[in-house]
Amino acid sequence: DQQVKQNSPSLSVQEGRISILNCDYTNSMFDYFLWYKKYPAEGPTFLISISSIKDKNEDGRFTVFLNKSAKHLSLHIVPSQPGDSAVYFCAARDTDKLIFGTGTRLQVFP
Amino acid sequence: DTGVSQDPRHKITKRGQNVTFRCDPISEHNRLYWYRQTLGQGPEFLTYFQNEAQLEKSRLLSDRFSAERPKGSFSTLEIQRTEQGDSAMYLCASTSGTLDYGYTFGSGTRLTVV
Repeated sequence: DQQVKQNSPSLSVQEGRISILNCDYTNSMFDYFLWYKKYPAEGPTFLISISSIKDKNEDGRFTVFLNKSAKHLSLHIVPSQPGDSAVYFCAARDTDKLIFGTGTRLQVFP
Repeated sequence: DTGVSQDPRHKITKRGQNVTFRCDPISEHNRLYWYRQTLGQGPEFLTYFQNEAQLEKSRLLSDRFSAERPKGSFSTLEIQRTEQGDSAMYLCASTSGTLDYGYTFGSGTRLTVV
């Protein structure tokens, strides 16, 4: 059973516009949520995290929103840049390990 | 410190052979994780260490898999009698425990079993 779900396998956005990546989870005991970016043939790179006691965390162009009642989080990238094109993974902490979603491929075009 | 290092980057092996991968974490990180990623999937947890103690193993880790972290520094992951289904990217990550900076992943070892 997939505890962390990313239902959109791909997203295409024009440069300069907002990218919104979504993630749903089922386990209300998750206490931390993270977003990672992954380029081909490289390991995932940490982007931003949020504790379950918060509803928003911002770092530069990246903002993560957490809606605990809906068990939903989203990553906003503003403005989107061509270098943001990659696969984005949502992850949640379950005790001492991270559970990952299946990823969303973001393509930012000029 | 240049981050988490994994060796080798690529490994091609024949079915039935044994393989061993190495991970060197960030030196001040006491926790080390192994994950496996197959095409179209996110990384899947295999096992983790706090210092030299192996604290949890996933049911994905069959008896053919063994991991060690002998002195709480580098770690090895061995797969015995490899099968084609073992073909995947094996990722290592380390962390000091705080999630404000996430887990730091290495570039992975791509295993192909032929």
